[in-house]
Order: sequence, then structure tokens, then C-alpha cells
Amino acid sequence: RKEVEQDPGPFNVPEGATVAFNCTYSNSASQSFFWYRQDCRKEPKLLMSVYSSGNEDGRFTAQLNRASQYISLLIRDSKLSDSATYLCAVSGNNAGNMLTFGGGTRLMVKP
Amino acid sequence: NAGVTQTPKFRVLKTGQSMTLLCAQDMNHEYMYWYRQDPGMGLRLIHYSVGEGTTAKGEVPDGYNVSRLKKQNFLLGLESAAPSQTSVYFCASSYNSRTDPLPYGYTFGSGTRLTVV
Repeated sequence: RKEVEQDPGPFNVPEGATVAFNCTYSNSASQSFFWYRQDCRKEPKLLMSVYSSGNEDGRFTAQLNRASQYISLLIRDSKLSDSATYLCAVSGNNAGNMLTFGGGTRLMVKP
Repeated sequence: NAGVTQTPKFRVLKTGQSMTLLCAQDMNHEYMYWYRQDPGMGLRLIHYSVGEGTTAKGEVPDGYNVSRLKKQNFLLGLESAAPSQTSVYFCASSYNSRTDPLPYGYTFGSGTRLTVV
């Protein structure tokens, strides 16, 4: 079993839709969680950090469920510009702040 | 504010050739990392450094060496390139706080696309 798993998608949604992705992790000692956005042939860029139960930033909401060991990303009122791959990353209790990344979920927002 | 800069952006090597990828950051970050990204495999950690003069192995270190002689630079070397090392390589850096133990997110460079033929 991979340490961090994501549904690769693609998720095809119309503009204005609400879409949610899940990311499961296997290490129960994981402390911090992140969502990154990666555009085609570009570097990942930090979207949100999740240190406790959740975080909200505009149309984006991230939630953490420690009991079931998953984090979720909810995008409301999807825009064409939201089309990208979304990576989740998990940090365990390790010196060096090493992140383990999921394979990413691809989102395509259609007009 | 340059952030994290990687050079070169593209490179084609022949099997057996060597090369060095350079990563430079101007954010005074202590932690630096090298990842490779392959289709279906996601980002995998090659080597990392928690400070000047220190390096450590990540998940997939074989075939690579690194050096961190200066705080702002982290070099990744391929001594004898193999086709299996064809990939996109990302360097990243991270702030760390001596008082706040929670990890911070990474800032990535724009990547190096390496093809080994």
C-alpha cells in the first residue's frame, strides 16, 4: 500500500460546480498535511496547509479526518482556471520536514 | 525575489555521461530537497539536506550524489546517467523554525527535464 494515495481522476466538472478530492495516508503519526496545485509542465505550488482539523481559503476548503486517515479538498464554484493536478502531501514526525506526496488528482473544468 | 532557481531547465544526456543539476534559493531556508517526478509514480525524494554541509538519502538515492557546500545551493549529481534516470527533477526548499516544530510547505523550483538516451 502506498503511503499517500489519491484517485488520479480525471474529474471532469462544469464551471460553477463543487468538486471534492480525497487523499488517504497510511502513517498514523503524520502531523501536517498540504495541498499543492500543479499545472501542466510546471512546478507544484502550495495551495493550502492543514495543521489541525481544517482550513478554508476563499473557494477552497481542506479538511482532515485523523480517525479515518484522510484529508479532503473541496473546491466551490469551479473556474476554468482551476483545471490542474492537485497533489496532497503528508509530513510525518521526522527531522528534516520531509514530505511524502500522493500521485495527484487531475481536475478538468469545462465551460 | 527569485525564490528557488534550477539550472539547466532541459538536458539530453547519453548513457554513461555525467552532469550536475544546480539549485539555488535566496530565502535563507535551512532545508533543501531533490525530488524526481515520473508519470504514475508521483514525486519521490532523492536526497535532502537540513543545513549547510549536511546531506541525507531519501526514498530513491541510488545513482545520485548531492552536496550542500553553501546554504543557498544544493547540487544533484549523476555520475553515470542511465535511461531509468529520465525524469523531471524538482528542487525545493523549506523554512524551519527552532521554536515551532510544525513543518512548513515547500517552495519548488521550476524543474529540470532530463532525458537520457
